[in-house]
Amino acid sequence: QVQLVESGGGVVQPGRSLRLSCAASGFTFSSYGMHWVRQAPGKGLEWVAVISYDGSNKYYADSVKGRFTISRDNSKNTLYLQMNSLRAEDTAVYYCAKGGGVWGQGTTVTVSS
Amino acid sequence: DVVMTQSPLSLPVTLGQPASISCRSSQSLVHSDGNTYLNWFQQRPGQSPRRLIYKVSNRDSGVPDRFSGSGSGTDFTLKISRVEAEDVGVYYCMQGTHWPLTFGGGTKVEIK
Repeated sequence: QVQLVESGGGVVQPGRSLRLSCAASGFTFSSYGMHWVRQAPGKGLEWVAVISYDGSNKYYADSVKGRFTISRDNSKNTLYLQMNSLRAEDTAVYYCAKGGGVWGQGTTVTVSS
Repeated sequence: DVVMTQSPLSLPVTLGQPASISCRSSQSLVHSDGNTYLNWFQQRPGQSPRRLIYKVSNRDSGVPDRFSGSGSGTDFTLKISRVEAEDVGVYYCMQGTHWPLTFGGGTKVEIK
């Protein structure tokens, strides 16, 4: 069945970097746009970024533009989120989603000194 | 950015009774391709979000038919015809017409 498994979260100091991964299985990964969405503790959902099926188009939320980079490796069925210059307000559970229809279980990022 | 406003914030309902959640957008969600990209998500306690409805009124696979979506332009509604215990959670609308994509603030459904 369709499965998305995020990894790479952890505790990181402000200003440092982290790379999240999302391993996809059960569908033709290279045919779908993919999203990252985050949820701060006790808060609602915030869309972060999207990448087209072939990686040619990318869009970002203003809150992460210039700091985060979404990418994908279709040969490895994996989606990435490179997060640089992390801030306390980036603390959240990060979900990857297949075109919005299927979500992973999330990976937690905590930015704290 | 398109602002999505949900109401109510909290919705206590009696088991077996209907429930309705409103979602309003700050601008029309009709895309230039003619589609309206308005989705509804359910997030049960401790779980990842799950999409229930896409393009206003289309139920995702496996979603019970007691869930229905309606609306047009800037006004949308999610209805649960008869609330069951498993429906407890937070419901979010999300627009996919304009960049950046934006979510409503959420409506918490609980049992009275």
